[in-house]
Amino acid sequence: DAMVIQNPRYQVTQFGKPVTLSCSQTLNHNVMYWYQQKSSQAPKLLFHYYDKDFNNEADTPDNFQSRRPNTSFCFLDIRSPGLGDAAMYLCATSATGTSGRGEQYFGPGTRLTVT
Amino acid sequence: AQRVTQPEKLLSVFKGAPVELKCNYSYSGSPELFWYVQYSRQRLQLLLRHISRESIKGFTADLNKGETSFHLKKPFAQEEDSAMYYCALSGNNQGGKLIFGQGTELSVKP
Repeated sequence: DAMVIQNPRYQVTQFGKPVTLSCSQTLNHNVMYWYQQKSSQAPKLLFHYYDKDFNNEADTPDNFQSRRPNTSFCFLDIRSPGLGDAAMYLCATSATGTSGRGEQYFGPGTRLTVT
Repeated sequence: AQRVTQPEKLLSVFKGAPVELKCNYSYSGSPELFWYVQYSRQRLQLLLRHISRESIKGFTADLNKGETSFHLKKPFAQEEDSAMYYCALSGNNQGGKLIFGQGTELSVKP
């Protein structure tokens, strides 16, 4: 089945130790998104790739970076995780047309714990 | 400012009762509105979108531009409807970005 896959599902890292979360998709969608979701809160968009074009949200901390080496894969790098970065990280994809809109398909998420 | 508001964090009803999950939005343009649902231990998934004007799992939602609302309704709730529901907005030329509301947890009791 075509889908969005996130690895790992659970990640524990130490305060200040860089960590990378990965997302892959078999849907061949041109847009990929990373969201941060803290407990009892709405998903918050960090950034997205429209094809190869990187789009950062204005309030996304510099501590968060992303890479998209090809259509299928997208990575979220947290350079120096703080305790406040503990959250669920959701990857999503979309096939958008000229209107820029489309249904988003979400992965299962990676729950990040910072010790 | 672009904003989606879901005023109820938790909505608890009995099986067979009508359900209405409220959603109001603020956007200067022609947004597209969605309802996403997250069942326990499952991924977030699309329930319905306003342009489809269809009923999914008995749920419907009508976009009211005058009231800037997109409330989700179901005439007879089922226990399997218990989940987290998010209203979301996508604006023009934004790469399909979604702005989510805070979510409403629906609990349907037997």
